[in-house]
Amino acid sequence: QSALTQPASVSGSLGQSITISCTGTSSDVGGYNYVSWYQQHPGKAPKLMIYDVSNRPSGVSNRFSGSKSGNTASLTISGLQAEDEADYYCSSYTSSSTYVFGTGTKVTVL
Amino acid sequence: QVQLVQSGAEVKKPGASVKVSCKASGYTFTSNYIYWVRQAPGQGLEWMGIINPSGDSTNYAQKFQGRVTMTRDTSTSTVYMELSSLRSEDTAVYYCAREGAGDIGYAFDIWGQGTMVTVSS
Repeated sequence: QSALTQPASVSGSLGQSITISCTGTSSDVGGYNYVSWYQQHPGKAPKLMIYDVSNRPSGVSNRFSGSKSGNTASLTISGLQAEDEADYYCSSYTSSSTYVFGTGTKVTVL
Repeated sequence: QVQLVQSGAEVKKPGASVKVSCKASGYTFTSNYIYWVRQAPGQGLEWMGIINPSGDSTNYAQKFQGRVTMTRDTSTSTVYMELSSLRSEDTAVYYCAREGAGDIGYAFDIWGQGTMVTVSS
């Protein structure tokens, strides 16, 4: 199972919006609405930000939103804040009843 | 509160095995699957497999088939991940993570703090 493809880095200024893409295949992203997104600060465990493509767990800011079109899912962060600077990973359930993560995206706040 | 607490760092020689534990608390242990994910230094997340604490069924990523074994002890609410025939490429932080509760079915909502495993001669 190959990793889902994400851009290596995305940057934006304070207050701006950015979007991170996550491209897979019809056997994972395109086949199921089970895409999730994780935020990871250096030296810390990942934190769930979005599940089932577009749902936010309790306590996650509504500045984070998710969507999907075909084999590509996206995470949008609006009103970018300094604390949003982190690595972000997507994940998808697959046709093999396993999971696959994305390659990861480093978000830099300018 | 709901948490997963993992065992401490390990240093192993190539060819050896390592067994990492993950103790659950704050929820009903048998209600949610537990996943294992690893992250090599400076690299991304890699899904290793899943164990059902209720029935002990497992599903491993193809890459680790034959080298990984996931087990659980319901008396102590602990799951274990054992990786054998270690090589330098297995040097990584190993995380356990819980299947999401309630509506959060196909995601990992609670993570352990991670266990660093170093494979070096």
